[in-house]
Amino acid sequence: EAGVAQSPRYKIIEKRQSVAFWCNPISGHATLYWYQQILGQGPKLLIQFQNNGVVDDSQLPKDRFSAERLKGVDSTLKIQPAKLEDSAVYLCASSLDHGRQPNTGELFFGEGSRLTVL
Amino acid sequence: AQSVTQLDSHVSVSEGTPVLLRCNYSSSYSPSLFWYVQHPNKGLQLLLKYTSAATLVKGINGFEAEFKKSETSFHLTKPSAHMSDAAEYFCVVSEIRAGNMLTFGGGTRLMVKP
Repeated sequence: EAGVAQSPRYKIIEKRQSVAFWCNPISGHATLYWYQQILGQGPKLLIQFQNNGVVDDSQLPKDRFSAERLKGVDSTLKIQPAKLEDSAVYLCASSLDHGRQPNTGELFFGEGSRLTVL
Repeated sequence: AQSVTQLDSHVSVSEGTPVLLRCNYSSSYSPSLFWYVQHPNKGLQLLLKYTSAATLVKGINGFEAEFKKSETSFHLTKPSAHMSDAAEYFCVVSEIRAGNMLTFGGGTRLMVKP
């Protein structure tokens, strides 16, 4: 079974430029998550989708970050314009769980997209 | 609001000695708790999970954790460390009231000396 695919693995940009990350979840997984992991910290949830609807985006900086999952499968996360503090690894994860059941809890993570903003 | 505190940012052990990674949580309701491991430049992998069944949970690679409600703890242990255990470990809490959103601790880096 193929895992969660992310691209690009690495991206270096200058501040005020834009960047987009792509994620393809495991086939059949209804829930998709984007996490931001700053060096030395635990991952922080940015946005959670169930199919193509947003479940939680309360921690997404909406003035510069956007995410979509138009067909309920793959997803893109965009940052525009980027700031120095956006340097981080952006992790995509998916799960079968539909968010309202007793939590199986297992999220399957991709290897991440490492962003460096200069 | 739910939260997780990993009490040690770094733990160093010798190969063959026991491992203890400490985690305390805060949750208004009965939580689910997890441990994830992250090897360098790799994705996060689930080690084990507690979801209100047995309080002693066994995971992969010989790891186990015990849920202690009275102490609000979920410490991760392994009887004998292996060099391949060197990685970053994250304790995670989730509760249905929070929409099953996972909240990660800050992580503990485990170093294993030969």
